[in-house]
Amino acid sequence: DAGITQSPRHKVTETGTPVTLRCHQTENHRYMYWYRQDPGHGLRLIHYSYGVKDTDKGEVSDGYSVSRSKTEDFLLTLESATSSQTSVYFCAISGTSGSSSTDTQYFGPGTRLTVL
Amino acid sequence: GENVEQHPSTLSVQEGDSAVIKCTYSDSASNYFPWYKQELGKRPQLIIDIRSNVGEKKDQRIAVTLNKTAKHFSLHITETQPEDSAVYFCAASIPGGGADGLTFGKGTHLIIQP
Repeated sequence: DAGITQSPRHKVTETGTPVTLRCHQTENHRYMYWYRQDPGHGLRLIHYSYGVKDTDKGEVSDGYSVSRSKTEDFLLTLESATSSQTSVYFCAISGTSGSSSTDTQYFGPGTRLTVL
Repeated sequence: GENVEQHPSTLSVQEGDSAVIKCTYSDSASNYFPWYKQELGKRPQLIIDIRSNVGEKKDQRIAVTLNKTAKHFSLHITETQPEDSAVYFCAASIPGGGADGLTFGKGTHLIIQP
């Protein structure tokens, strides 16, 4: 499955605590994305990265921040978790180095986050 | 921003029959339209995609058609089999920015009746 891992796979946390989710790839793909999936909403883009230290906001970025200090890792941080951030979070990657960004996106296995 | 509408939300067909799922998009600058299949508890898996310079693409029992003028695209599955049961998502690329994220439809739950 395209060499993408996510950690942790499951997490339960309390309202107000910070949470960091990690996406790791071994494919040397340039572009990385974070989506959340909720019943009735499909998948929605949170943030994306087009290179090391290059990131931008997606459709539902409020309450989230990201960092990419090296090609293989893309971190998603919930600065102060709320119950509305209970969701399944998917990371995706696309594009080999230098290629067009309009390329197949491969998804990681997902992280199920519950905020109590 | 881009908006993608997907219909129907649930589709039940007899095994061996065809299934059609339809999507519309709002931004005429979108140029990439993938379809994903997701089984319960699993990650979305790409099954077919189409780019805006092509009107139709086929891969065995699966085909996708694109009408740029009307801004809609459809997934066609022929000779459906039990393993086709899943949730299917259409998506459209989000123009602009440093990378092409995707806007997804809300999904179609396809049920194949034996």
